[in-house]
Amino acid sequence: KAGVTQTPRYLIKTRGQQVTLSCSPISGHRSVSWYQQTPGQGLQFLFEYFSETQRNKGNFPGRFSGRQFSNSRSEMNVSTLELGDSALYLCASSLDGMGEQYFGPGTRLTVT
Amino acid sequence: AQRVTQPEKLLSVFKGAPVELKCNYSYSGSPELFWYVQYSRQRLQLLLRHISRESIKGFTADLNKGETSFHLKKPFAQEEDSAMYYCAHAPLDSSYKLIFGSGTRLLVRP
Repeated sequence: KAGVTQTPRYLIKTRGQQVTLSCSPISGHRSVSWYQQTPGQGLQFLFEYFSETQRNKGNFPGRFSGRQFSNSRSEMNVSTLELGDSALYLCASSLDGMGEQYFGPGTRLTVT
Repeated sequence: AQRVTQPEKLLSVFKGAPVELKCNYSYSGSPELFWYVQYSRQRLQLLLRHISRESIKGFTADLNKGETSFHLKKPFAQEEDSAMYYCAHAPLDSSYKLIFGSGTRLLVRP
C-alpha cells in the first residue's frame, strides 16, 4: 500500500509569513503525528491527531498548530515564521497512535 | 523530564566487527522502546521494538530496566548497515508520541 506522503517537499518562506504543510497517512491509519527535525535539537514531537482530535502536544509555541480532517489527512500551520523554524518537518501515521509509526519523506522548510 | 540519550554521534567500525549502539532512557514506568533507522536518501523507518523481541537484519536490542538501557547490537557489521540510528521511547503515561534520542551515525568501513 502507498506510504505516507507529504506536500510540498521543499518550501522557502520569508520571516513573518505563514506556511501550511500537508500530510496524507497510510490508508486505514487514523493517527497522524508531526515532528520537527533540526541539526541542533534533533527530532522533536509537535502534536498528534486521532479522529480529528488533538490528543497530545509537544513543547512548541502557539504559532504551531495543526488539524486533521475526516479522511485522516492532516495539515500543520506555522504562523509568523522565524528563522529558527527552518527545519525538516516529518509526518508519521499509525493505526491508533501506539506502536510503530510510519514516516513520510518530510517537508524541508527554509525561512529567510 | 523524559529523555533518551545516545552518547555517540558517530560510530565507525570495520566490516565484520561487532557493533553496539548505546541508548539510555530516563523514565520510571514501563517503557516502550524502539530503534528507528534512516538509510541515505530514505525515510525514517522502524528497525525493531522491544516488545516484539525480534532480530531484524541481524540486529537485536535488550531492555535492561536496571540500567535503563536499550542498546542495539549486531555481531558482524555489514557495509549496508551504514545509516543514522535513532533510539526512541514512547512513554506509556502520555502516549501517542515518540521521544527520540539525538541519533548515532554508524559508518561501516570495508
